[in-house]
Amino acid sequence: GAGVSQSPSNKVTEKGKDVELRCDPISGHTALYWYRQRLGQGLEFLIYFQGNSAPDKSGLPSDRFSAERTGESVSTLTIQRTQQEDSAVYLCASSTAGSTNEKLFFGSGTQLSVL
Amino acid sequence: SQQGEEDPQALSIQEGENATMNCSYKTSINNLQWYRQNSGRGLVHLILIRSNEREKHSGRLRVTLDTSKKSSSLLITASRAADTASYFCATAQGAQKLVFGQGTRLTINP
Repeated sequence: GAGVSQSPSNKVTEKGKDVELRCDPISGHTALYWYRQRLGQGLEFLIYFQGNSAPDKSGLPSDRFSAERTGESVSTLTIQRTQQEDSAVYLCASSTAGSTNEKLFFGSGTQLSVL
Repeated sequence: SQQGEEDPQALSIQEGENATMNCSYKTSINNLQWYRQNSGRGLVHLILIRSNEREKHSGRLRVTLDTSKKSSSLLITASRAADTASYFCATAQGAQKLVFGQGTRLTINP
């Protein structure tokens, strides 16, 4: 596609439910990032995928959070047993390679609201 | 902890004035990037400055980098209402992970 696509754009869920967020990176981009942004705050790194290497999961806040990526394509971020503190915008980004000399292309994010 | 910290947290100026935002970081870097975010959604890359560069221009944007002070500044000249957004610096933490600061919220008043 032309850009990074995220779905859904908005998700409202009840506390305790599981949610799955999807990210379609730009075709050919080997690196994919997930970030979380609470209202009025900066971006909080969650997880990073680069090709077939083991992902960098150092930013995942708890074992309720997990993410998968199939090859160099779609990624899903799953939050189990959601809590109100999980309410935030979840942003996905991709880049052509794993080097930090590359700029990131961001999707429009998923606004998650946990009631 | 955040690698990059922007200053000020919020800035409000009149249209036509120049806006300056600063970013400080803690460890050595290969490069530093600036991004813009409108309406709290996706970020857009503005400019990348490498550690061996001291200044870089792109249109009305001017970025400086002082590695001895571990700081960078973003200058927007002749500001426009459309420049209203949040601006973030990003630096590499480790080999591959980009870490963003808290951002500067810029408001351009007509």
